[in-house]
Formats: sequence, structure tokens, C-alpha cells
Amino acid sequence: DSGVTQTPKHLITATGQRVTLRCSPRSGDLSVYWYQQSLDQGLQFLIQYYNGEERAKGNILERFSAQQFPDLHSELNLSSLELGDSALYFCASSFRQDGEKLFFGSGTQLSVL
Amino acid sequence: GESVGLHLPTLSVQEGDNSIINCAYSNSASDYFIWYKQESGKGPQFIIDIRSNMDKRQGQRVTVLLNKTVKHLSLQIAATQPGDSAVYFCAENNAGNMLTFGGGTRLMVKP
Repeated sequence: DSGVTQTPKHLITATGQRVTLRCSPRSGDLSVYWYQQSLDQGLQFLIQYYNGEERAKGNILERFSAQQFPDLHSELNLSSLELGDSALYFCASSFRQDGEKLFFGSGTQLSVL
Repeated sequence: GESVGLHLPTLSVQEGDNSIINCAYSNSASDYFIWYKQESGKGPQFIIDIRSNMDKRQGQRVTVLLNKTVKHLSLQIAATQPGDSAVYFCAENNAGNMLTFGGGTRLMVKP
């Protein structure tokens, strides 16, 4: 167990809908990273927050947004969902903000039908 | 842009043998590398990391080798066990705030 908690584990929804994925980092970790894992593209970095502030942005679509709250948990919001958004979404946390030694949660499997 | 290059091949080894998983990277500015293991239905699990000022680092049954001259990273697993069966990813940090992952290698351990 990495100590990173993600909910829900599975999410099935329809195209056009909006969902929220939640992540609680390991105790003491200040950074939260979101990654998308699909079969054809591997693990793709989406966005990073450190102590409540956005620190780095990857290939995150404009339909997606995230935030980190004062208690350091993070939420990833996905809207106007498309079939191609179906993927595993991972959250990772780290004490540092420089992208080293990330610990991953078990992921949320999103299926858009 | 530059990225860690790794197709998804499959490495099949006999239980008890040593395994070597390779990874090529293209960004010479990368200064930190890390290996993850991902079992089916689980998130990536940290195995071992190495900084660019080192060429070798050992953990429990695992060794990571870094050859900056040819931009090559390898993970060696000693006495491979069935529980080592998984997909292994290398990742690099090129002085940014994020890890860039390769495509992964599937390790299959035959009993």
C-alpha cells in the first residue's frame, strides 16, 4: 500500500457527462500529480500541484481541470466526456515538488460509454 | 519533444534466473531516473531510483545501471521470482517537475 488513496476505483459514465476523481496524498506529502494511462499512450502527465498551487502542466485538455485543497487532497474534474477519455487515472504524491520519487495510488478506471 | 523511448516488448525468463530490462532515453539534460513496477490492476510501485551523478545503484535484489554516454538505463533483477511478473516502466526527470515515462516492458517469469 503506497499510502495514496484514490476514489472511486471504477467509474462508468456517458459521453457529455462530468466526473470528479479524488485523491488523498500520503501523510506529509505536499505534491500531488495526476497521470492518465491508456493502452495506446502509456502514462501521460497531466498536472501537478504543490501545497495548493499549480506547479506544472502537461498534456491536459481544456475540458479537464484540477485543484488541491488546504487539506492537500486533490480533485481532477473531467467534463464533456468523450469515448477517448476512457482510461486509468492515477494520482501520485511526493514530499518534494521536483518530480522525484512519486508514490502512486491504485487509480480510477474511467469508462465512458 | 524528447522522451524516454521504450516500446512494450515482453521479456520471458525462467524462475531463478537474472532479468535485465533496458530503457533508452533521449534527453541528455535528464538528471534523475526511476524504475516502477506495475502489476495488473494496480498503480505503479517504486522500485529504485538513480541520479545522473551515479552510474550504479543497488537495492534488494535489484540494480539500476546508468550509462550517460549512450543514454541507456537498465534494471537488473536477481533470482527472478514469479512475483516479479509485471510491467516495468522507466521514467526520467529532465529538470522539470514531472516524470516522463517510457512505454513499459512486460516481464513474464516461467516456473
